Amino acid sequence: NAGVTQTPKFRVLKTGQSMTLLCAQDMNHEYMYWYRQDPGMGLRLIHYSVGEGTTAKGEVPDGYNVSRLKKQNFLLGLESAAPSQTSVYFCASSSPKLNRLNTGELFFGEGSRLTVL
Amino acid sequence: RKEVEQDPGPFNVPEGATVAFNCTYSNSASQSFFWYRQDCRKEPKLLMSVYSSGNEDGRFTAQLNRASQYISLLIRDSKLSDSATYLCVVNMYGGSQGNLIFGKGTKLSVKP
Repeated sequence: NAGVTQTPKFRVLKTGQSMTLLCAQDMNHEYMYWYRQDPGMGLRLIHYSVGEGTTAKGEVPDGYNVSRLKKQNFLLGLESAAPSQTSVYFCASSSPKLNRLNTGELFFGEGSRLTVL
Repeated sequence: RKEVEQDPGPFNVPEGATVAFNCTYSNSASQSFFWYRQDCRKEPKLLMSVYSSGNEDGRFTAQLNRASQYISLLIRDSKLSDSATYLCVVNMYGGSQGNLIFGKGTKLSVKP
């Protein structure tokens, strides 16, 4: 039961470098999300997608780009990393069917710890 | 006023104690409410949804008070394994799942 898989789990970048975080889910979920979690800030939504080929901005989208070329994958890109992007990044997925049942269950990956020096 | 507020704790309780967490939300039109659990350095996982009539799952009871705009989580007979951070989550504006707002979490530590 893989569920939601994030790669890489850890990464250290220098300011200005670029990188991509990959999220893959095997539950055939329509919705996918990228969150960041910082001490004292809680989880904040960066971008999300309600289906293949569609993306939307969340609460804190600046400095990030995303793509959903395949239903099972959601990529988060940092074009020019900044120290303020040091954080733990969580990918999550959910199903519209669950929405109608109002369970609101998001299935999270294990997180990716990014440090920008 | 912040959208979803929780007491950060930590709540330090002995095994067997009953502990309650509250969470307040700012938008009276919020439609759905949840409690998630997050263990240290792990991902959040759904603990339970919160229904208007209140709901119970074993030792856990969740309640919603729309008039006062708060939800609560009661844990009875606390176990060591209950130690975690509990996140209050509100679907603030309905519709798209992009409207889920997470509280900062309340940390619970259950001691022997």
